Amino acid sequence: KNQVEQSPQSLIILEGKNCTLQCNYTVSPFSNLRWYKQDTGRGPVSLTIMTFSENTKSNGRYTATLDADTKQSSLHITASQLSDSASYICVVSAQQAGTALIFGKGTTLSVSS
Amino acid sequence: DAGVIQSPRHEVTEMGQEVTLRCKPISGHNSLFWYRQTMMRGLELLIYFNNNVPIDDSGMPEDRFSAKMPNASFSTLKIQPSEPRDSAVYFCASRKTPEGTEAFFGQGTRLTVV
Repeated sequence: KNQVEQSPQSLIILEGKNCTLQCNYTVSPFSNLRWYKQDTGRGPVSLTIMTFSENTKSNGRYTATLDADTKQSSLHITASQLSDSASYICVVSAQQAGTALIFGKGTTLSVSS
Repeated sequence: DAGVIQSPRHEVTEMGQEVTLRCKPISGHNSLFWYRQTMMRGLELLIYFNNNVPIDDSGMPEDRFSAKMPNASFSTLKIQPSEPRDSAVYFCASRKTPEGTEAFFGQGTRLTVV
């Protein structure tokens, strides 16, 4: 069964600190993996996409990694800011026509001052 | 582009009433998704359309839920009769194939059934 598991479920950090969010998946055949950020009361917005051949991709203070062998991805946030407080959702796409996106349940990050 | 537009943003209804949620995808996108989000279950796919045709509706909870996409620019999700356990945020998303392109989400409709 195609599944996406994220950890931790929630995280609280101080402003300026770094953090890493984890995503494990069992989706096959794998097409790509996206990290979405969802602010409270809004729809998810894509941060970065990783394909099979990519190991690392950065988007500002966000760095995503992908290990296609172990089927794991991480999202590292550097020098966190209050505006980083949100839910971060790992979404995996299977390489099959007509297959929808498979969502993890997300990690809720709270950045406090 | 205005993005994916959903209406209403908030809906409060009494148990047993019919509820209709609406979605206008981004122009040119040919895939449309309806998701339901709750604290307990996260984002769950309800139904997925490709070129206005339902491809996968296995996530639709039961016969009380139905979705239509009469044309490329409009879709509805109907719940009849509604129940308190249907209370959730319902998101519509659209994307342009091929697979792997980003799905863009609407702002969601927060449904409360009392």
